[in-house]
Amino acid sequence: AQSVTQLGSHVSVSEGALVLLRCNYSSSVPPYLFWYVQYPNQGLQLLLKYTTGATLVKGINGFEAEFKKSETSFHLTKPSAHMSDAAEYFCAVTEGGYQKVTFGTGTKLQVIP
Amino acid sequence: EAQVTQNPRYLITVTGKKLTVTCSQNMNHEYMSWYRQDPGLGLRQIYYSMNVEVTDKGDVPEGYKVSRKEKRNFPLILESPSPNQTSLYFCASRSRGSYNSPLHFGNGTRLTVT
Repeated sequence: AQSVTQLGSHVSVSEGALVLLRCNYSSSVPPYLFWYVQYPNQGLQLLLKYTTGATLVKGINGFEAEFKKSETSFHLTKPSAHMSDAAEYFCAVTEGGYQKVTFGTGTKLQVIP
Repeated sequence: EAQVTQNPRYLITVTGKKLTVTCSQNMNHEYMSWYRQDPGLGLRQIYYSMNVEVTDKGDVPEGYKVSRKEKRNFPLILESPSPNQTSLYFCASRSRGSYNSPLHFGNGTRLTVT
């Protein structure tokens, strides 16, 4: 069975600082991994998705994620935080051959001016 | 515009009064799903549907019903709502064409059961 663990339910960074949001997955088969972002009072929208064979995936708004199979991780980063990045971020996984999408518990990012 | 539309956005009801939350998508997606979002628990899947007339339970199906009579619609039914079903609900859809096709979400329905 697949699962996703997001370390840190709340992360605070200063504006201009590095953003690092952690995601580890558990899957018995190669996973399909996603990061979604949720702004206040909105639904989730896709930030980026893993492409088979890639190690670094680029997304919207300057975010990227590194896939490390040996560590079963798919951490999300952004070199320089902006106030508009304040939102909740969800990591999600779909196992190949299985249509169920499993979400992590989310990480709320606060950006301090 | 490609979108998933949920209605209503906000709903306050009383225990035991049947209600339906509607969901419609205009992207011809085969796969549709309902999630509930609760603080500290992330999104948990209630039911999903792989295609018309095909539905299956997710992680937290108790107290909910769904139907998929048309490809575009996937209503969520609470036959006898209880206070523990107070939550934020999201409908989502995706194409079945690829396992890494992303989910498209509606804007959510905030349900309060008193």
